[in-house]
Amino acid sequence: DVKVTQSSRYLVKRTGEKVFLECVQDMDHENMFWYRQDPGLGLRLIYFSYDVKMKEKGDIPEGYSVSREKKERFSLILESASTNQTSMYLCASSFPSSGRRRRNTEAFFGQGTRLTVV
Amino acid sequence: AQTVTQSQPEMSVQEAETVTLSCTYDTSENNYYLFWYKQPPSRQMILVIRQEAYKQQNATENRFSVNFQKAAKSFSLKISDSQLGDTAMYFCAFMNPPNFGNEKLTFGTGTRLTIIP
Repeated sequence: DVKVTQSSRYLVKRTGEKVFLECVQDMDHENMFWYRQDPGLGLRLIYFSYDVKMKEKGDIPEGYSVSREKKERFSLILESASTNQTSMYLCASSFPSSGRRRRNTEAFFGQGTRLTVV
Repeated sequence: AQTVTQSQPEMSVQEAETVTLSCTYDTSENNYYLFWYKQPPSRQMILVIRQEAYKQQNATENRFSVNFQKAAKSFSLKISDSQLGDTAMYFCAFMNPPNFGNEKLTFGTGTRLTIIP
C-alpha cells in the first residue's frame, strides 16, 4: 500500500515560532505537494516539488518555505507562525504524468496535520 | 488559471438512495484530468473516480459514476445505493494536461454529504 506519512496529526505552536511540518512517502514518487485546507475554501496549493531540491510556488506561498533534500521527504516550514496560519495541512505525492517514469495521475494524501497557532 | 466550482456546500440523503454532486470547471485546455476525492471524518483523502477529458465514455467505479459534459464543463458524481460509509466531504479536482511539473490539482470548495440511516 502507498503510504504518505505526516509527522504530526495535531500541533499547537505559539505566534512567532518556526514550525516544521514533515511528510514522508514510500512509493518513490517524484512529485510531492503541500496543500492547506480551510472550511469553505477547499484545498489550496502552497508549494510543490517535482524532484529533489526542486520546488515551485503554488497559489498561496506567502509565509511558507519548503525543503526537499531527499526524494521521499518534503518539509513545509512556517518561518514565523502567525494565527492566520491556523489550518489543516495536507501532504500528497504522485508519479509524473509524462516522461519515462509516467504513471497514472492519482495523488496519494497523508492524514493531515491540524495546526493551531496561538 | 483553472477554477473549480462546487455549488452545493452540504447535502443529505437517505441510505440506499441515489445522490448527485455537481461540479463545474473553467479551462481553455482541451486535454486534462478530472477527479472526485472523498475525505471521511478520518481525514484520509481517497480517490473515488478519475476521468480523462479525451475519453468520451463516462467513468464508473462500482456504485460511483460520473456525468462528464465537456462542452458544458460539467463533471457531476452520482452515488447509487448510498451507504453510511459514504458520509464524507467530497472534492472535485482538476489537473492540467500531462506534462512535466503539471501534476498539481486545483480543488473545489467541497460538498459535505451525509447519509441518513
